[in-house]
Amino acid sequence: EPEVTQTPSHQVTQMGQEVILRCVPISNHLYFYWYRQILGQKVEFLVSFYNNEISEKSEIFDDQFSVERPDGSNFTLKIRSTKLEDSAMYFCASSELGQGNYEQYFGPGTRLTVT
Amino acid sequence: AQSVTQLGSHVSVSEGALVLLRCNYSSSVPPYLFWYVQYPNQGLQLLLKYTSAATLVKGINGFEAEFKKSETSFHLTKPSAHMSDAAEYFCAVSFNTDKLIFGTGTRLQVFP
Repeated sequence: EPEVTQTPSHQVTQMGQEVILRCVPISNHLYFYWYRQILGQKVEFLVSFYNNEISEKSEIFDDQFSVERPDGSNFTLKIRSTKLEDSAMYFCASSELGQGNYEQYFGPGTRLTVT
Repeated sequence: AQSVTQLGSHVSVSEGALVLLRCNYSSSVPPYLFWYVQYPNQGLQLLLKYTSAATLVKGINGFEAEFKKSETSFHLTKPSAHMSDAAEYFCAVSFNTDKLIFGTGTRLQVFP
């Protein structure tokens, strides 16, 4: 069964450093997403991406964040200068189409720890 | 504002007992509704979804949920709990946008 994969599973970085989280969405899916879950809190939407541009983003997704689909398979989230409060589990997801009624398939997540 | 509320951050049941996890939404437009399950140290797996076809939705692992528009609810049930059902359950809604809005989650414990 096709699945979303994410690497690395755990990333430790120092405050102020740049990190790139990587995801391989399901191959025939057209919409891609990033969510995050701070420990003990709910899952929060960050951004959606379609046709090589951001489709929607939340207020969390500020100038420190960027997304890219550098090739036909990978989808990345970059945090330019990490802060302690960026420590969270980051989930990538993909769906065939967007606008709500299509199932989003989630990857296993990358746990980001900022020290 | 559009939102989703899960009543009860923790629910404990005995093995074989009924599972009932509550979810209510607030919206002025018809929502799409989802239940996801998260096992320890794993990602989110879709249990079931409501997309206006039928109000009673059957999902995986014996779970089902009923959409009640009058009560703005989408409660998740399973007739008989199994030890393997112990996990965190998230209700999520979408309102014709790309993003899913998640509830705060309910941790289900199943006792032998």
